[in-house]
Amino acid sequence: GAGVSQSPSNKVTEKGKDVELRCDPISGHTALYWYRQSLGQGLEFLIYFQGNSAPDKSGLPSDRFSAERTGGSVSTLTIQRTQQEDSAVYLCASTPSVQETQYFGPGTRLLVL
Amino acid sequence: AQTVTQSQPEMSVQEAETVTLSCTYDTSENNYYLFWYKQPPSRQMILVIRQEAYKQQNATENRFSVNFQKAAKSFSLKISDSQLGDTAMYFCAFRRGGGSNYKLTFGKGTLLTVNP
Repeated sequence: GAGVSQSPSNKVTEKGKDVELRCDPISGHTALYWYRQSLGQGLEFLIYFQGNSAPDKSGLPSDRFSAERTGGSVSTLTIQRTQQEDSAVYLCASTPSVQETQYFGPGTRLLVL
Repeated sequence: AQTVTQSQPEMSVQEAETVTLSCTYDTSENNYYLFWYKQPPSRQMILVIRQEAYKQQNATENRFSVNFQKAAKSFSLKISDSQLGDTAMYFCAFRRGGGSNYKLTFGKGTLLTVNP
């Protein structure tokens, strides 16, 4: 079946612009995670959605970052007023239930000039 | 908080040989899971192998096996009969078994190159 998909694959933006990154989880997966992969910090957890529960935003680095998940499926990660340090690969993962293995998408590479 | 340490930033191995990647972790949890993920240049994170902490038997998936030493908090990955397609970044990851957020905590990764 189809895996986790993310769009765009690559995004180049100018400092100060807002960007939206999209994640389509595997159908039926109730849990969805966003991670950031950067050269300096490695892989870091950003935010977690589980069903209709309030998301766990404990990993978001600043209030410029936000995410939503509509209808328990597609998720959008928004970065406002982008900074150069936001340049990274943003990975999304989903899982059929919280106890299961996370399946990752191909990521979005963001470059802030 | 959990930490995961991979002490080998880079490794190389000849095709058909065996290589072992190291991983140590620190946690106060008793119920948890450990993973090895592979990330080739395509960026897709692919699960290689998973180990439940409550299981004493080491997990095995074809050419991939782990040496899980719970008391030592060590979780190494052994790749047998290395193939060119094994060239990738390998990440060790920890996930708690209870609570409400099952986020993964990753090590910094080991870049493995398989040489022909």
